[in-house]
Order: sequence, then C-alpha cells, then structure tokens
Amino acid sequence: DGGITQSPKYLFRKEGQNVTLSCEQNLNHDAMYWYRQDPGQGLRLIYYSQIVNDFQKGDIAEGYSVSREKKESFPLTVTSAQKNPTAFYLCASSPGQGRRLSGYTFGSGTRLTVV
Amino acid sequence: GESVGLHLPTLSVQEGDNSIINCAYSNSASDYFIWYKQESGKGPQFIIDIRSNMDKRQGQRVTVLLNKTVKHLSLQIAATQPGDSAVYFCAEAGGSYIPTFGRGTSLIVHP
Repeated sequence: DGGITQSPKYLFRKEGQNVTLSCEQNLNHDAMYWYRQDPGQGLRLIYYSQIVNDFQKGDIAEGYSVSREKKESFPLTVTSAQKNPTAFYLCASSPGQGRRLSGYTFGSGTRLTVV
Repeated sequence: GESVGLHLPTLSVQEGDNSIINCAYSNSASDYFIWYKQESGKGPQFIIDIRSNMDKRQGQRVTVLLNKTVKHLSLQIAATQPGDSAVYFCAEAGGSYIPTFGRGTSLIVHP
C-alpha cells in the first residue's frame, strides 16, 4: 500500500527538550509538508520541501527545523525555542509543484504534548 | 471574517438528510479548490476537488459548487450517514500549489 506514515502517534516532551517527529512516504512524491493544527483552527504551514536537500519556511517556522536528505523522508524537529509546542502535527506530500493537488496526501498525525 | 477560537462552526443533521457545508475563500487568484474530511485524531482525507474553470463537480454522494463572483465554495452531501460525521474543511490553491486551509466545519449526523 502506498502511503505516508507518521510516527509516533503520541509524543510527550519535557520543557527544554528537542523532539523529532518522523514522516515517511512511499508515493514517490517530490514535495513534502509539515502542518500544525490547533483546536478550532485551520492547518498552518510550518515548513515545506519541493525537492531533496531543499526546504522553505512556511508561516510559522520559528522554533522548528527540518531536513530532506532523502526523497522519502521529511523529519520535523520541535526545538526548545518553540514556546507552545502542544498541538497535532500533520505531514503531507504531493506529486510536486504544478501537478494535480488531488494527490495531496496526509499522514495520520502526531499529537505532541508538553509535560 | 472568522474569529479564532476553540469552537468550530457546527452543522447538525438527521441521518438521511442532505448536508450543505459552506466555505468562503480569500484569494481571487486561487484556481484550484479541495474539500477534505477529517475524523477525530486522524489526518485529513481528500473528498473532491474543482478547478476555477468549472462551477460544479459531482462525486459519489458529494457535489462541490464554486461561485467565483462571491468567492464561495460549498460541499453538498446527499443522504448523510452517521459515518459522515467529521470536520470538513476547504482548501484553496493558486500558482504556488501550496494550499491554504480553512478552519473547518464540524458535521454531526444524528441517527
């Protein structure tokens, strides 16, 4: 089955700790994205990558970092600089810029809680 | 515009009724629109899309209507079922093809 896998499903972070959320896709998609979802709000773009070894900041990149060393993988690190990290994090992928967005696929999400 | 808060707009319907969920988009340059369904604790799932050169598109039990004059999008679900209960949100995209997502509407279907 082709798809996009996020892990872990639930993650707990202590104050001052960095944590990394995993996102892997086997859809051969060029582009990958990270979104943050807070209760009652829409999805907000954190970072995106349209090609390996390249990524751009989204609307709320502060306190987050990413890497794109492989086409299949786009991990997100929530650093201690992110003051309010408790949220539901969604990873997505798409065939790439200029292609049909109906291929825009989401993972099942990681719920991060600060303890 | 919508205020930011913890509570989503909610639509409650009876099983078997038709549901209409509305979305106002902001960018007149957007040329591609998508509706997603998100069940609790899960990632959004693609439902249906429409391009700006169309004003209506039908899928299985769903229809999307686009009114570019007033920048309005709607999703109609026929014969709504309890399994349709979820949050529905629209997304708009333009030349960058990175969508902008709306806040969503919670659909509650009563058996």
